[in-house]
Amino acid sequence: EDQVTQSPEALRLQEGESSSLNCSYTVSGLRGLFWYRQDPGKGPEFLFTLYSAGEEKEKERLKATLTKKESFLHITAPKPEDSATYLCAVRTGNQFYFGTGTSLTVIP
Amino acid sequence: DTGVSQNPRHKITKRGQNVTFRCDPISEHNRLYWYRQTLGQGPEFLTYFQNEAQLEKSRLLSDRFSAERPKGSFSTLEIQRTEQGDSAMYLCASSFTGPLVDEQYFGPGTRLTVT
Repeated sequence: EDQVTQSPEALRLQEGESSSLNCSYTVSGLRGLFWYRQDPGKGPEFLFTLYSAGEEKEKERLKATLTKKESFLHITAPKPEDSATYLCAVRTGNQFYFGTGTSLTVIP
Repeated sequence: DTGVSQNPRHKITKRGQNVTFRCDPISEHNRLYWYRQTLGQGPEFLTYFQNEAQLEKSRLLSDRFSAERPKGSFSTLEIQRTEQGDSAMYLCASSFTGPLVDEQYFGPGTRLTVT
């Protein structure tokens, strides 16, 4: 059964305190792994797509990496405006499976 | 604003009534997706269109749910005989075909409350 698991469920960081979010997956025929940011009451906002193990992508304070079984979203020196829920999703065929997300709170 | 738009933003209905939601994708996008999201959960895939063709439907999509995308432009999602378990945020997303095919852009969602 295709499955996406994110950890931790919630994370509180002090401003400037770097950390990583985890997304582990078991799918048949991975066609891409995606990271999104979601603010309360809004639709998810696309961040990254990763296609193959070893691939890395960066955007401002965020860096996403991919292995054969999991992906990490590294947040370097976070700011309060980085507070949001971060969602991971995988594509298999033409279906997309999302995890339940990590709720990140960055305290000034 | 040229993003994905959804209407209505909120809908309250009584159990047993039918409801219809509309999604207008980004104009140059030919792929359109519908998802359902409940509190504390990630979006759950419902269905996917490429142009006007519905190419994928989730096994979880019961026969009370139907989606259309006439002429490959806007899309509608209809729920017949609503149940309280249908209460959720219904999200629409669109994307290109090509190198950026997997960059889905989401709308703000339609929040459905079934009483």
